[in-house]
Amino acid sequence: AQSVTQLDSQVPVFEEAPVELRCNYSSSVSVYLFWYVQYPNQGLQLLLKYLSGSTLVKGINGFEAEFNKSQTSFHLRKPSVHISDTAEYFCAVSDRRKLIFGQGTELSVKP
Amino acid sequence: NAGVTQTPKFRVLKTGQSMTLLCAQDMNHEYMYWYRQDPGMGLRLIHYSVGEGTTAKGEVPDGYNVSRLKKQNFLLGLESAAPSQTSVYFCASSYSSGRYNEQFFGPGTRLTVL
Repeated sequence: AQSVTQLDSQVPVFEEAPVELRCNYSSSVSVYLFWYVQYPNQGLQLLLKYLSGSTLVKGINGFEAEFNKSQTSFHLRKPSVHISDTAEYFCAVSDRRKLIFGQGTELSVKP
Repeated sequence: NAGVTQTPKFRVLKTGQSMTLLCAQDMNHEYMYWYRQDPGMGLRLIHYSVGEGTTAKGEVPDGYNVSRLKKQNFLLGLESAAPSQTSVYFCASSYSSGRYNEQFFGPGTRLTVL
Protein backbone atom coordinates (compact mmCIF):
# COMPACT_ATOMS: atom_id res chain seq x y z
CA ALA A 1 0.00 0.00 0.00
CA GLN A 2 1.06 3.55 -0.67
CA SER A 3 2.01 5.98 2.07
CA VAL A 4 2.72 9.70 2.30
CA THR A 5 4.84 11.61 4.78
CA GLN A 6 4.71 15.35 5.19
CA LEU A 7 7.92 16.26 6.89
CA ASP A 8 6.81 19.47 8.62
CA SER A 9 3.67 19.85 10.70
CA GLN A 10 3.99 23.65 10.91
CA VAL A 11 5.82 26.15 8.73
CA PRO A 12 5.90 29.80 9.82
CA VAL A 13 7.11 32.28 7.22
CA PHE A 14 7.06 36.01 6.65
CA GLU A 15 5.03 37.60 3.88
CA GLU A 16 6.81 37.78 0.50
CA ALA A 17 9.33 35.11 1.53
CA PRO A 18 9.66 31.84 -0.43
CA VAL A 19 8.29 28.63 1.04
CA GLU A 20 8.70 24.90 0.48
CA LEU A 21 6.38 22.30 1.96
CA ARG A 22 7.90 18.84 1.87
CA CYS A 23 6.20 15.58 0.91
CA ASN A 24 7.67 12.11 0.47
CA TYR A 25 5.76 9.11 -0.86
CA SER A 26 6.39 5.39 -0.91
CA SER A 27 7.74 4.06 -4.15
CA SER A 28 5.47 2.49 -6.76
CA VAL A 29 5.51 1.68 -10.45
CA SER A 30 2.84 4.22 -11.28
CA VAL A 31 2.25 7.13 -8.97
CA TYR A 32 -0.29 9.89 -9.10
CA LEU A 33 0.22 12.75 -6.65
CA PHE A 34 -1.90 15.64 -5.46
CA TRP A 35 -1.61 18.72 -3.28
CA TYR A 36 -4.72 20.11 -1.61
CA VAL A 37 -5.25 23.29 0.39
CA GLN A 38 -7.71 23.80 3.22
CA TYR A 39 -8.50 27.34 4.30
CA PRO A 40 -9.95 27.81 7.81
CA ASN A 41 -13.43 26.34 8.21
CA GLN A 42 -13.59 25.15 4.61
CA GLY A 43 -13.28 21.90 2.69
CA LEU A 44 -10.22 20.85 0.73
CA GLN A 45 -9.59 22.14 -2.78
CA LEU A 46 -7.09 20.93 -5.33
CA LEU A 47 -3.92 23.00 -5.78
CA LEU A 48 -2.19 20.82 -8.37
CA LYS A 49 -1.64 17.25 -9.49
CA TYR A 50 1.02 15.09 -11.09
CA LEU A 51 -0.22 12.34 -13.37
CA SER A 52 2.63 11.95 -15.87
CA GLY A 53 4.87 13.97 -18.16
CA SER A 54 6.73 17.09 -17.01
CA THR A 55 8.08 16.76 -13.50
CA LEU A 56 7.39 20.43 -12.74
CA VAL A 57 3.71 20.96 -12.16
CA LYS A 58 2.12 24.38 -11.88
CA GLY A 59 -1.04 24.94 -9.88
CA ILE A 60 -3.35 27.67 -8.75
CA ASN A 61 -2.37 30.74 -6.72
CA GLY A 62 1.27 30.66 -7.92
CA PHE A 63 2.14 27.30 -6.37
CA GLU A 64 4.22 24.67 -8.13
CA ALA A 65 5.55 21.24 -7.22
CA GLU A 66 8.36 19.08 -8.52
CA PHE A 67 8.03 15.32 -8.89
CA ASN A 68 11.34 13.64 -8.07
CA LYS A 69 11.22 9.91 -8.71
CA SER A 70 14.72 9.11 -7.42
CA GLN A 71 14.05 10.82 -4.10
CA THR A 72 10.35 9.82 -4.01
CA SER A 73 9.41 13.41 -3.23
CA PHE A 74 6.77 15.87 -4.37
CA HIS A 75 7.61 19.15 -2.64
CA LEU A 76 5.35 22.18 -2.96
CA ARG A 77 6.89 25.62 -3.50
CA LYS A 78 5.91 29.24 -3.87
CA PRO A 79 8.47 31.98 -4.52
CA SER A 80 6.63 34.70 -2.59
CA VAL A 81 3.80 34.01 -0.14
CA HIS A 82 0.90 36.24 0.86
CA ILE A 83 -1.05 36.48 4.09
CA SER A 84 -3.93 34.83 2.23
CA ASP A 85 -1.85 31.65 1.76
CA THR A 86 -2.25 30.88 5.45
CA ALA A 87 -3.92 27.48 5.42
CA GLU A 88 -3.33 23.77 5.90
CA TYR A 89 -1.79 21.89 2.99
CA PHE A 90 -2.19 18.18 2.33
CA CYS A 91 -0.15 15.95 0.05
CA ALA A 92 -1.90 12.83 -1.26
CA VAL A 93 -1.11 9.79 -3.40
CA SER A 94 -3.60 7.70 -5.32
CA ASP A 95 -3.73 4.11 -4.08
CA ARG A 96 -6.11 2.02 -6.21
CA ARG A 97 -9.55 3.33 -5.29
CA LYS A 98 -8.50 5.75 -2.58
CA LEU A 99 -6.33 8.74 -1.88
CA ILE A 100 -3.82 8.37 0.90
CA PHE A 101 -3.32 11.73 2.64
CA GLY A 102 -0.38 13.01 4.61
CA GLN A 103 -0.90 14.48 8.06
CA GLY A 104 -0.96 18.03 6.75
CA THR A 105 1.31 21.07 7.06
CA GLU A 106 0.06 24.29 8.61
CA LEU A 107 1.46 27.25 6.73
CA SER A 108 1.34 30.44 8.75
CA VAL A 109 2.25 33.63 6.90
CA LYS A 110 3.14 36.56 9.13
CA PRO A 111 3.24 40.23 8.13
CA ASN B 1 -23.08 23.21 -10.74
CA ALA B 2 -23.20 22.96 -6.95
CA GLY B 3 -20.39 20.38 -6.83
CA VAL B 4 -20.44 18.46 -3.55
CA THR B 5 -22.91 19.57 -0.89
CA GLN B 6 -23.34 18.35 2.67
CA THR B 7 -26.32 18.54 5.00
CA PRO B 8 -26.37 19.68 7.79
CA LYS B 9 -23.47 22.08 8.33
CA PHE B 10 -23.58 21.83 12.13
CA ARG B 11 -25.17 19.42 14.56
CA VAL B 12 -25.09 18.77 18.29
CA LEU B 13 -26.12 15.34 19.56
CA LYS B 14 -26.40 13.73 22.94
CA THR B 15 -24.64 10.43 23.59
CA GLY B 16 -26.73 7.56 22.24
CA GLN B 17 -28.70 9.59 19.72
CA SER B 18 -28.66 8.73 16.04
CA MET B 19 -28.34 10.86 12.94
CA THR B 20 -27.69 10.76 9.22
CA LEU B 21 -25.39 13.03 7.25
CA LEU B 22 -26.27 13.55 3.61
CA CYS B 23 -23.78 14.10 0.81
CA ALA B 24 -24.88 14.96 -2.71
CA GLN B 25 -22.86 15.51 -5.89
CA ASP B 26 -23.98 16.70 -9.31
CA MET B 27 -20.87 15.74 -11.30
CA ASN B 28 -21.98 12.22 -12.18
CA HIS B 29 -19.03 10.79 -10.25
CA GLU B 30 -18.83 7.07 -9.60
CA TYR B 31 -16.77 7.19 -6.42
CA MET B 32 -17.78 8.83 -3.15
CA TYR B 33 -16.03 9.02 0.21
CA TRP B 34 -16.63 9.95 3.84
CA TYR B 35 -13.74 11.28 5.96
CA ARG B 36 -13.40 12.60 9.44
CA GLN B 37 -10.88 15.27 10.39
CA ASP B 38 -9.55 15.66 13.92
CA PRO B 39 -6.79 17.99 15.16
CA GLY B 40 -3.34 16.51 14.57
CA MET B 41 -4.71 13.41 12.83
CA GLY B 42 -5.23 14.61 9.29
CA LEU B 43 -8.02 13.07 7.22
CA ARG B 44 -9.15 9.54 8.00
CA LEU B 45 -11.30 7.56 5.61
CA ILE B 46 -14.46 6.13 7.18
CA HIS B 47 -16.25 4.42 4.28
CA TYR B 48 -16.32 4.77 0.53
CA SER B 49 -18.35 3.68 -2.47
CA VAL B 50 -17.22 2.83 -5.99
CA GLY B 51 -20.69 2.94 -7.50
CA GLU B 52 -24.41 2.93 -6.84
CA GLY B 53 -25.35 0.13 -4.46
CA THR B 54 -21.77 -0.54 -3.32
CA THR B 55 -19.94 0.41 -0.12
CA ALA B 56 -16.61 -0.50 1.45
CA LYS B 57 -14.86 0.07 4.76
CA GLY B 58 -12.08 2.58 5.13
CA GLU B 59 -9.58 3.15 7.89
CA VAL B 60 -12.00 3.96 10.76
CA PRO B 61 -15.42 2.39 9.99
CA ASP B 62 -16.51 1.36 13.49
CA GLY B 63 -19.64 3.11 14.75
CA TYR B 64 -20.68 4.28 11.27
CA ASN B 65 -22.84 2.89 8.50
CA VAL B 66 -23.31 4.13 4.94
CA SER B 67 -25.64 3.69 2.01
CA ARG B 68 -25.45 4.58 -1.68
CA LEU B 69 -28.93 3.96 -3.03
CA LYS B 70 -28.60 6.65 -5.70
CA LYS B 71 -25.48 7.50 -7.63
CA GLN B 72 -25.56 11.15 -6.59
CA ASN B 73 -26.09 10.58 -2.86
CA PHE B 74 -23.96 9.02 -0.14
CA LEU B 75 -25.38 8.82 3.38
CA LEU B 76 -23.36 8.44 6.59
CA GLY B 77 -25.22 7.16 9.64
CA LEU B 78 -24.37 7.15 13.31
CA GLU B 79 -26.65 4.68 15.10
CA SER B 80 -25.60 5.49 18.67
CA ALA B 81 -23.40 8.57 18.87
CA ALA B 82 -20.43 8.69 21.23
CA PRO B 83 -18.29 11.66 22.32
CA SER B 84 -15.37 10.11 20.38
CA GLN B 85 -17.34 10.83 17.20
CA THR B 86 -17.11 14.57 17.77
CA SER B 87 -15.33 15.68 14.61
CA VAL B 88 -15.61 17.49 11.30
CA TYR B 89 -16.93 15.20 8.58
CA PHE B 90 -16.10 15.68 4.92
CA CYS B 91 -17.63 14.05 1.91
CA ALA B 92 -15.77 13.82 -1.39
CA SER B 93 -16.36 12.41 -4.85
CA SER B 94 -14.21 11.45 -7.82
CA TYR B 95 -14.71 10.28 -11.38
CA SER B 96 -12.78 7.03 -10.91
CA SER B 97 -9.59 5.60 -9.46
CA GLY B 98 -5.88 5.85 -10.17
CA ARG B 99 -5.06 8.87 -12.29
CA TYR B 100 -8.73 9.86 -12.23
CA ASN B 101 -8.93 9.95 -8.45
CA GLU B 102 -8.90 13.73 -8.11
CA GLN B 103 -11.38 14.18 -5.30
CA PHE B 104 -13.80 17.08 -4.93
CA PHE B 105 -14.73 17.93 -1.36
CA GLY B 106 -17.83 19.28 0.31
CA PRO B 107 -17.72 22.10 2.88
CA GLY B 108 -17.93 19.78 5.88
CA THR B 109 -20.28 19.02 8.78
CA ARG B 110 -19.19 19.93 12.28
CA LEU B 111 -20.62 17.38 14.71
CA THR B 112 -20.47 17.65 18.50
CA VAL B 113 -21.54 14.75 20.68
CA LEU B 114 -22.18 15.64 24.31
